[in-house]
Amino acid sequence: DAGVTQSPTHLIKTRGQQVTLRCSPKSGHDTVSWYQQALGQGPQFIFQYYEEEERQRGNFPDRFSGHQFPNYSSELNVNALLLGDSALYLCASSLEVTATDTQYFGPGTRLTVL
Amino acid sequence: AQKITQTQPGMFVQEKEAVTLDCTYDTSDQSYGLFWYKQPSSGEMIFLIYQGSYDEQNATEGRYSLNFQKARKSANLVISASQLGDSAMYFCAMREGAGGFKTIFGAGTRLFVKA
Repeated sequence: DAGVTQSPTHLIKTRGQQVTLRCSPKSGHDTVSWYQQALGQGPQFIFQYYEEEERQRGNFPDRFSGHQFPNYSSELNVNALLLGDSALYLCASSLEVTATDTQYFGPGTRLTVL
Repeated sequence: AQKITQTQPGMFVQEKEAVTLDCTYDTSDQSYGLFWYKQPSSGEMIFLIYQGSYDEQNATEGRYSLNFQKARKSANLVISASQLGDSAMYFCAMREGAGGFKTIFGAGTRLFVKA
């Protein structure tokens, strides 16, 4: 049973560039959430996708956008990169989104913006 | 507003001993879920244990147990018989039930297990 996978593992970009991160959910899961984890901090919720639509969004600017495909995989896009966007980006998947549902995380993509 | 507080930036424990990692939360919702995750240096968040707000018994998963005190809004993680492989960051997290799709995390506690 494949878990959550993310690609790429590491990425280096320069300020002003655009980046796309990818996530494949755990088998059988249809909901994908994205989190940003700055060094030394807990993950911060970016947004969540369900049925190919953004269902909820955290306090992130419009430079952060996403997409979910019919096979439930998802992309996170960040435009006009800033130095402060350097972080570990985590994708999490779940079957249902209720208070009781457990999210399973992927290994993350470490983004460095120079 | 939702909030998770972990007041212990770092903790040391001797191998084979038990350790308690503290977590308090704030929510106005009656329905919510509480989670603990482990994050090794590799970065992946590993799910450890879950407690629902309506669960009357404390959750247990192997060497992990969650000491849930609803009136005090605390959800402490207890690790019994610590192992060297338990050295990692530990995050407490919460999701509210009323339309709350996001999970909020605390700042984490770094656990060091000494041989």
